[in-house]
Amino acid sequence: GENVEQHPSTLSVQEGDSAVIKCTYSDSASNYFPWYKQELGKGPQLIIDIRSNVGEKKDQRIAVTLNKTAKHFSLHITETQPEDSAVYFCAAIGGTSYGKLTFGQGTILTVHP
Amino acid sequence: DGGITQSPKYLFRKEGQNVTLSCEQNLNHDAMYWYRQDPGQGLRLIYYSQIVNDFQKGDIAEGYSVSREKKESFPLTVTSAQKNPTAFYLCASSRLAGGVKNTEAFFGQGTRLTVV
Repeated sequence: GENVEQHPSTLSVQEGDSAVIKCTYSDSASNYFPWYKQELGKGPQLIIDIRSNVGEKKDQRIAVTLNKTAKHFSLHITETQPEDSAVYFCAAIGGTSYGKLTFGQGTILTVHP
Repeated sequence: DGGITQSPKYLFRKEGQNVTLSCEQNLNHDAMYWYRQDPGQGLRLIYYSQIVNDFQKGDIAEGYSVSREKKESFPLTVTSAQKNPTAFYLCASSRLAGGVKNTEAFFGQGTRLTVV
């Protein structure tokens, strides 16, 4: 089955700096890669996703890049703000997994004012 | 408002008891999922269902059971066979129809289960 590795496990930045979180996946047939933000005591919320036929996607301060050859994808947050502080999860759906997400271990992002 | 609702938010269970966690969605989604979240770990799949009256085991199904009698509902029972049930449980749903196999999964707000 699919295996997703996420790094770093914690990330601390100053307000206004950029933050980058990286994930690798194992199943070359995986075709959907969402990123979720989870605030304390709440369920994860989708912030951006990318499909395997696209190399990059951007939504305001958030961007995701996908390298299918290397089987890795990354989340980029620019001009970070204190409200960006949360746990971020990457995920992937394998080629035969029809809707089932495999999650990375999560990154605790702290943005200091 | 469309969404996915989990209840209760907090649940306490005595050892040896079965408990059932509720999950309801009004998004008309075909698929529903149960995930378990432990501190410092990602979400792990317990069970999933792609259609009414059908469900499959995920990666950590032992000690859990589910049913899918209605499209809107996917309750999870944590049985006494689950040796370490204290965790945060998350229900999710997604649309699988229309030729798009993998789409956004919407999550509920979770149920925190504690064994006392």
